[in-house]
Amino acid sequence: GAGVSQTPSNKVTEKGKYVELRCDPISGHTALYWYRQSLGQGPEFLIYFQGTGAADDSGLPNDRFFAVRPEGSVSTLKIQRTERGDSAVYLCASSFTNTGELFFGEGSRLTVL
Amino acid sequence: QQQVKQSPQSLIVQKGGISIINCAYENTAFDYFPWYQQFPGKGPALLIAIRPDVSEKKEGRFTISFNKSAKQFSLHIMDSQPGDSATYFCAATHDYKLSFGAGTTVTVRA
Repeated sequence: GAGVSQTPSNKVTEKGKYVELRCDPISGHTALYWYRQSLGQGPEFLIYFQGTGAADDSGLPNDRFFAVRPEGSVSTLKIQRTERGDSAVYLCASSFTNTGELFFGEGSRLTVL
Repeated sequence: QQQVKQSPQSLIVQKGGISIINCAYENTAFDYFPWYQQFPGKGPALLIAIRPDVSEKKEGRFTISFNKSAKQFSLHIMDSQPGDSATYFCAATHDYKLSFGAGTTVTVRA
């Protein structure tokens, strides 16, 4: 498809487990972003990649969260020792440059029981 | 700390009516103000955006009004249609990091 693809669309896990969320950006987009959206709230910035490197990871809540983009395309958000408070929709977005015109995927809904 | 404050939280409008959503910001470094539309189960999609060198931008039935001195901007949806029923987010940035408002759920009654 032509849009940003995120998998899985839904993930239910138990407290303490490890999860990985994958994002496949629009082809040719060099910038990739992860946002987190809690119920009834706007998306909150987590991390920004320009190419392969994380240019800004200031939004990651703590060291249980980590993201990679090894080849400058697909990105994986990794959450260790999940907590119930991690439950949210994790949105990935990409863009040609670091502009405000982001193209979002449909998100991965994470539920931690 | 929420950098962009959005109101109202929700609104109901009759088909053909005007929907107005307001946002306010504090960071004077912000120089790009997009609005995103989000349908249930979908990701946000860019609707319209403005830079602070203009006071108004119109695209079809959607208009952004921008007041730099008041640090406020608003979205007007003219001739609202049932298909406009969605959640709308204002946002602001001066680089790559978007700060979003909390969202306004718009319901258009037929």
